[in-house]
Amino acid sequence: DGGITQSPKYLFRKEGQNVTLSCEQNLNHDAMYWYRQDPGQGLRLIYYSQIVNDFQKGDIAEGYSVSREKKESFPLTVTSAQKNPTAFYLCASSIGGIWMDTEAFFGQGTRLTVV
Amino acid sequence: QKEVEQNSGPLSVPEGAIASLNCTYSDRGSQSFFWYRQYSGKSPELIMSIYSNGDKEDGRFTAQLNKASQYVSLLIRDSQPSDSATYLCAVRSSSGSARQLTFGSGTQLTVLP
Repeated sequence: DGGITQSPKYLFRKEGQNVTLSCEQNLNHDAMYWYRQDPGQGLRLIYYSQIVNDFQKGDIAEGYSVSREKKESFPLTVTSAQKNPTAFYLCASSIGGIWMDTEAFFGQGTRLTVV
Repeated sequence: QKEVEQNSGPLSVPEGAIASLNCTYSDRGSQSFFWYRQYSGKSPELIMSIYSNGDKEDGRFTAQLNKASQYVSLLIRDSQPSDSATYLCAVRSSSGSARQLTFGSGTQLTVLP
């Protein structure tokens, strides 16, 4: 089945740790995105990538980093510089680049909690 | 700052009624609009996309777009308890380096049996 797979589903981070969230898609989509969702709020864009080896900051990129070494994969690292990382993280992809008027499809999400 | 505004609700309707969800957006040049449904603790799933002024129907769902008023809505006919969820409006901006999808904060819908 085609889709977007995020792992892990739940992740716990200690203060000062970096953690990496995985996102893999087999939809052959060009564009991939990372969003953050806080309780009762909409989705805010962290980073996006239109093609391999290229990515751009979204609205709330501080404290996060990404890579896009393969078309299928777009991992997100939450660094210790992110002061309030507890949130629901959603990876998405869309066919074509972001310059196309296409919808985005989401993975199942990773819920990150700082302990 | 491109914005997408939704009434956060909660909106409660009885089973079988029509639920009406509304969304306004600030970027006048936006061309593509989407409605997502999100169950509690789950990821958003796409319900409808609409690109032209007017109505678009898909089963019990109808999306309505009025670009002049910068307004998009979602009607759910014959509402069922399984429709209880948060509905997110998303707009793809028309210009700039991102042309990103901007989401509203969502409207929580409860369908009462």
